[in-house]
Amino acid sequence: AQSVSQHNHHVILSEAASLELGCNYSYGGTVNLFWYVQYPGQHLQLLLKYFSGDPLVKGIKGFEAEFIKSKFSFNLRKPSVQWSDTAEYFCAVKPNNAGNMLTFGGGTRLMVKP
Amino acid sequence: EAGVAQSPRYKIIEKRQSVAFWCNPISGHATLYWYQQILGQGPKLLIQFQNNGVVDDSQLPKDRFSAERLKGVDSTLKIQPAKLEDSAVYLCASSLNRGGYEQYFGPGTRLTVT
Repeated sequence: AQSVSQHNHHVILSEAASLELGCNYSYGGTVNLFWYVQYPGQHLQLLLKYFSGDPLVKGIKGFEAEFIKSKFSFNLRKPSVQWSDTAEYFCAVKPNNAGNMLTFGGGTRLMVKP
Repeated sequence: EAGVAQSPRYKIIEKRQSVAFWCNPISGHATLYWYQQILGQGPKLLIQFQNNGVVDDSQLPKDRFSAERLKGVDSTLKIQPAKLEDSAVYLCASSLNRGGYEQYFGPGTRLTVT
């Protein structure tokens, strides 16, 4: 069975700092990759996804993620964070032959100080 | 477009009692999911429905958990009897269909078992 690791459980940054959240997965086959975000008091929502093609994908609110197949990684980045980016971020993986069954990582709680 | 609706939002019960959660997916979405999110962890898929049929329930503790989606629209998840370790947020999600479609999440039901 596949698994997803998010190594940073808590991250604290000041506004305008750059962000990189790590995500590694274990699965030998073709995968689809996702980042979800949960803002305080709100639902989980999709930030960005990778299915195929350009391994650098851009999502909403200036976020991007890079799929590095050789490293089984899909790290999330943002060049300059804002206070409003304070949220919990979840990486998720779906093997290509798994219907729509997502496996989530444990999440990274980001706090941005104004 | 209305989102995924869940009720109740909060529930406190004693161990060995039973509890039921309700989910109404986005109109027209064929696929419905129930996730369990324990504090500090990512969501874990419990069961996936395609219309009114079960696609995968391999991670559902069937000795105490049951779920149904009789008319292929709304769904209920039941726990009977509850244990302390069932304390979690139960998330419902829906997608247009199986495959690579985005999953839309509801607000969740926070269950506390005392």
